[in-house]
Amino acid sequence: QKEVEQDPGPLSVPEGAIVSLNCTYSNSAFQYFMWYRQYSRKGPELLMYTYSSGNKEDGRFTAQVDKSSKYISLFIRDSQPSDSATYLCAMTLNRDDKIIFGKGTRLHILP
Amino acid sequence: DSGVTQTPKHLITATGQRVTLRCSPRSGDLSVYWYQQSLDQGLQFLIHYYNGEERAKGNILERFSAQQFPDLHSELNLSSLELGDSALYFCASSVLAGGLADTQYFGPGTRLTVL
Repeated sequence: QKEVEQDPGPLSVPEGAIVSLNCTYSNSAFQYFMWYRQYSRKGPELLMYTYSSGNKEDGRFTAQVDKSSKYISLFIRDSQPSDSATYLCAMTLNRDDKIIFGKGTRLHILP
Repeated sequence: DSGVTQTPKHLITATGQRVTLRCSPRSGDLSVYWYQQSLDQGLQFLIHYYNGEERAKGNILERFSAQQFPDLHSELNLSSLELGDSALYFCASSVLAGGLADTQYFGPGTRLTVL
């Protein structure tokens, strides 16, 4: 079983829709959870970062962590064509540990 | 623009060869991280340097090595290259010594193709 599982997509949704991106993980000791956005031919950039369980909201983005189910989600409201990118989930045991990434989900927002 | 620079952008070489990838961190950042991204494995952490010293190793092959110089730039050396080494190699930098991703800024990457 891989440490972090993420559906590669592609996921295509119409502009304005709510997008739900998800990851599952196997190591219950993970405490820090992150979502990165990566545009084509660019490096990843951090979108959201949460510690332990719960929700975190930042503008149109909401990150959710359910540690009991070992499941994390990223919701994008009012999706825009500029949101078209690959979204990678990532997690780590503690602040100083290496980061484990999912393989990413390709998202297309259709105008 | 993250402020992290990587050279070259593209590199095409043959199996068995050796290449060097270069990274300049953001001004003031002391940590440099190297990652490999391939379709098969996704984004994988290779190695972390802080202020010239190795801090952590990830899934880095013995054929690969890295160093961070006094001016804080870093080089990743890949030798005895194999077809499977073809990938995007990213460098990231941060101010702190810790590995938490909220402090890391990624460069644009070097695309390595081994023929």
